[in-house]
Amino acid sequence: QVQLKESGPGLVAPSQSLSITCTVSGFSLTSYGVHWVRQPPGKGLEWLGVIWAGGSTNYNSALMSRLSISKDNSKSQVFLKMNSLQTDDTAMYYCARGITTVDYWGQGTTLTVSS
Amino acid sequence: DIVLTQSPASLAVSLGQRATISCRASQSVSTSSYSYMHWYQQKPGQPPKLLIKYASNLESGVPARFSGSGSGTDFTLNIHPVEEEDTATYYCQHSWEIPWTFGGGTKLEIK
Repeated sequence: QVQLKESGPGLVAPSQSLSITCTVSGFSLTSYGVHWVRQPPGKGLEWLGVIWAGGSTNYNSALMSRLSISKDNSKSQVFLKMNSLQTDDTAMYYCARGITTVDYWGQGTTLTVSS
Repeated sequence: DIVLTQSPASLAVSLGQRATISCRASQSVSTSSYSYMHWYQQKPGQPPKLLIKYASNLESGVPARFSGSGSGTDFTLNIHPVEEEDTATYYCQHSWEIPWTFGGGTKLEIK
């Protein structure tokens, strides 16, 4: 069955960088896009960006300068990298499969930005 | 960016009654054939779950008490009759253009 699982550092100091890995199973990254969505504690959902099946990417314009999404099709992994982290980047980070909508989500990984 | 405004922010509905949630887009997200508006349900501690895609198409496995309607800029999610398990926050989301955006969410309580 389709599964996505995020893994990340948990705690990062302000101004540092973040790398989260999304490992997928049950489908091929060459057939589906993978999106990144985050949710600050007690708040709503924010779309961060996507890497499409062909490898092209799109980003939330407000975060574009700090974000990078890449993937390794052979390892079924997608990578989110964000730099210059601030406390308001504290959130649950989800990866999710989708083409024109998101049909499967990972359980998310919590990121806390704190010194 | 397309702004999605959901209303109300919260509502309480009696068991067995109807819940209606609205989502208004700052510009049209519809063609003559499709509306690129989708609805999700999120329960505490869980990721969102897709309920309705393309405004009115029920995702596989979602109970028929959930329905969606609308086109252009105005969309509605209806739940009837509501059940205890429908307690959750509901989000609309468009995929008309990049960036995709979500509505602010509507928290549903069952009385």
